[in-house]
Amino acid sequence: NAGVMQNPRHLVRRRGQEARLRCSPMKGHSHVYWYRQLPEEGLKFMVYLQKENIIDESGMPKERFSAEFPKEGPSILRIQQVVRGDSAAYFCASSQGPGGSTDTQYFGPGTRLTVL
Amino acid sequence: SQKIEQNSEALNIQEGKTATLTCNYTNYSPAYLQWYRQDPGRGPVFLLLIRENEKEKRKERLKVTFDTTLKQSLFHITASQPADSATYLCALVLYNFNNFYFGSGTKLNVKP
Repeated sequence: NAGVMQNPRHLVRRRGQEARLRCSPMKGHSHVYWYRQLPEEGLKFMVYLQKENIIDESGMPKERFSAEFPKEGPSILRIQQVVRGDSAAYFCASSQGPGGSTDTQYFGPGTRLTVL
Repeated sequence: SQKIEQNSEALNIQEGKTATLTCNYTNYSPAYLQWYRQDPGRGPVFLLLIRENEKEKRKERLKVTFDTTLKQSLFHITASQPADSATYLCALVLYNFNNFYFGSGTKLNVKP
């Protein structure tokens, strides 16, 4: 059973461009979480999605950021008009059920976004 | 304001000793608390979960305690090995199970 897959692993964008980060959860998992991690800092929750639904987006910036988890295909975190402050590692995690219960989260390897 | 605090200074210990890491929180009422290990350039890996009504949990060389009165969790690694060197993160899970609040982690260095 393959783990959580994220691609690309490294992404370089110039200011003003769009960044698309993809996350394929583990097989059988229908819950996806996105986190951002700045150097020497902890993970900051961004959004929690189930198939075709956004459950909690309280950690998402109000502008330029959006996330989706379609019925088919990976979850996508989209950042429009990137700025240098968006440079960070973005991690995706998946779980079989709500991740806070006995179903824990499994993390992907992350996408490292660099904005020039 | 809500805070989760882990010691930002690295913990350096000798192989074979017990490492103890601390996670303190304020203004949260978590249902669960989890501990993760993170190696450089990788995603966190789940280690242990402890529920609000549990005082202690063990798994092999790992032990976690959870004191909701002190609002503190302690994470112990006994008989530590150099391979245990990593950053350890605690995470609080609230009753809505919707999101996780992570501490900034403590780096552990186990010297041979």
